[in-house]
Amino acid sequence: NAGVMQNPRHLVRRRGQEARLRCSPMKGHSHVYWYRQLPEEGLKFMVYLQKENIIDESGMPKERFSAEFPKEGPSILRIQQVVRGDSAAYFCASSSGIAGYEQYFGPGTRLTVT
Amino acid sequence: GIQVEQSPPDLILQEGANSTLRCNFSDSVNNLQWFHQNPWGQLINLFYIPSGTKQNGRLSATTVATERYSLLYISSSQTTDSGVYFCAVDVGSSNTGKLIFGQGTTLQVKP
Repeated sequence: NAGVMQNPRHLVRRRGQEARLRCSPMKGHSHVYWYRQLPEEGLKFMVYLQKENIIDESGMPKERFSAEFPKEGPSILRIQQVVRGDSAAYFCASSSGIAGYEQYFGPGTRLTVT
Repeated sequence: GIQVEQSPPDLILQEGANSTLRCNFSDSVNNLQWFHQNPWGQLINLFYIPSGTKQNGRLSATTVATERYSLLYISSSQTTDSGVYFCAVDVGSSNTGKLIFGQGTTLQVKP
């Protein structure tokens, strides 16, 4: 039973480029969460999605960041026109239910902006 | 919003020693989880423990929801236990399940 998959594991982008991070939840899970860990900081919630719906994006920066979880395929976190401050580890988690259910985390994508 | 405080912030142990990590939270919660972030940056699920006590090998955890704290016990520590330990809570009033993380306890186990 595969766990949460994220790819790529490492991503290097130049300032101004776009970054696309992918997350495949555990089998049977339809709830996906994205978290960001900035250097020397803790993990912060970004966005919560169910299939084809963004439920809570209260932690997403207002500009350049977007997320989707299509009916088919992985969830995508997209960062347009990356800046050095976007360099961080981005983690995806999935669960089988909403509040109160255990979340399982992927290995993360480490984004470096040069 | 809810406050999640972990103590101590840093801990250095000799291999074989025991330790207790604490997580205090300021509101009722639906969910509480403990994680270990290893030196390679991966987050490992340790416990899903909104209340009660659980044990897994040398690790055990207790959450007293009514008093708003959780404890993680590490016995006979090994160098592979080094890393950062996070607790995270899902606020009781939330209907989305998003986790709020504490700042972590950085553990170093020396051989």
